[in-house]
Amino acid sequence: KTQVEQSPQSLVVRQGENCVLQCNYSVTPDNHLRWFKQDTGKGLVSLTVLVDQKDKTSNGRYSATLDKDAKHSTLHITATLLDDTATYICVVGDRGSALGRLHFGAGTQLIVIP
Amino acid sequence: DMKVTQMPRYLIKRMGENVLLECGQDMSHETMYWYRQDPGLGLQLIYISYDVDSNSEGDIPKGYRVSRKKREHFSLILDSAKTNQTSVYFCASSFTGGHTGQLYFGEGSKLTVL
Repeated sequence: KTQVEQSPQSLVVRQGENCVLQCNYSVTPDNHLRWFKQDTGKGLVSLTVLVDQKDKTSNGRYSATLDKDAKHSTLHITATLLDDTATYICVVGDRGSALGRLHFGAGTQLIVIP
Repeated sequence: DMKVTQMPRYLIKRMGENVLLECGQDMSHETMYWYRQDPGLGLQLIYISYDVDSNSEGDIPKGYRVSRKKREHFSLILDSAKTNQTSVYFCASSFTGGHTGQLYFGEGSKLTVL
């Protein structure tokens, strides 16, 4: 059973627009949550990691929130660029070390058009 | 240089042939991983290695084996490849105690088994 659900499955936005990606999960315990960006044919690159019960992070045009009570996270991308076209993957870790397991979502495919 | 390098990037094999996928990292990370990524699914853990000769099965180890004789190298071996092992394989590395720290992925090895 999938423990990390991402929505939407795909999204098309115009350059300059903002977008929000959603991640809902059922992983327990939920030690931390990470968002990755995966360009087509490339590996995963970490964007941010959220740790606290209610957490917020910001990394340039990317900002993320985590609510562990709701088991829900969002990734906001502001003023999208063509280079933001990629798959964004939500990952939940059940422990704070490599002794735990990482649970991967299937990703949201974002396409930014001119 | 903080990099995970995978070789080969692309490989075509016939059913029943042996496959060797190699991964190297230059960060002295203790922990290394092999995942496979299939369309519509999250990454699935095949094997995890906590250090030299300290390997553990992941969620889908059947049909695979691994070798880690040096900390910086982690190999994935398919003895007698099957068509359902056609996939993109990703290697990753991290410090054992640092799942909330950085997790580095290689660019993937696309395997096609005919």
